[in-house]
Amino acid sequence: SQQGEEDPQALSIQEGENATMNCSYKTSINNLQWYRQNSGRGLVHLILIRSNEREKHSGRLRVTLDTSKKSSSLLITASRAADTASYFCATSKAAGNKLTFGGGTRVLVKP
Amino acid sequence: DTAVSQTPKYLVTQMGNDKSIKCEQNLGHDTMYWYKQDSKKFLKIMFSYNNKELIINETVPNRFSPKSPDKAHLNLHINSLELGDSAVYFCASSQNRDHYGYTFGSGTRLTVV
Repeated sequence: SQQGEEDPQALSIQEGENATMNCSYKTSINNLQWYRQNSGRGLVHLILIRSNEREKHSGRLRVTLDTSKKSSSLLITASRAADTASYFCATSKAAGNKLTFGGGTRVLVKP
Repeated sequence: DTAVSQTPKYLVTQMGNDKSIKCEQNLGHDTMYWYKQDSKKFLKIMFSYNNKELIINETVPNRFSPKSPDKAHLNLHINSLELGDSAVYFCASSQNRDHYGYTFGSGTRLTVV
């Protein structure tokens, strides 16, 4: 089974709205990362949050991490049509350890 | 210049054939990876090499054999292809095995008929 599971599996919003997606994982982690994948393309690293951090920001992205609940959320504020993509969370149990990905959330931002 | 490049982008082949996918990174990274993305978009790691040394070898059929001639290249050879091998294969690299952000290639869509 996957270490990370995203929720919802799919999300459709209007341009300008906020998009929130969640990721749950099963075991303790060293860090959690979010990636974006545009259709037919590779994954692009968005943001990393370490296990001792609770919140991080990068531009219009805000990531939270709750290690007690083993969950993370990714918020995209003021969404744009160009944000249409699949978003994946990935976890690493320790330094030098492999990244384990969830199944992704497909986000559609309608103009 | 593309940071992580894979060739070919598309590969259609018959069952039983042997094929290779090539990956090159020009980032000077030490560590490279192969991931398989299935039709439901789940990504699973297959192999990882650090400075030409195999460091991760997941439960992958031994029909799959990675080869790293130097730290900038990680190729994937697949023998006796099966229908279930159809997927998108992604190569990725990271600065070193302790550096957390991966740079991915654009993928190779393999279709076995």
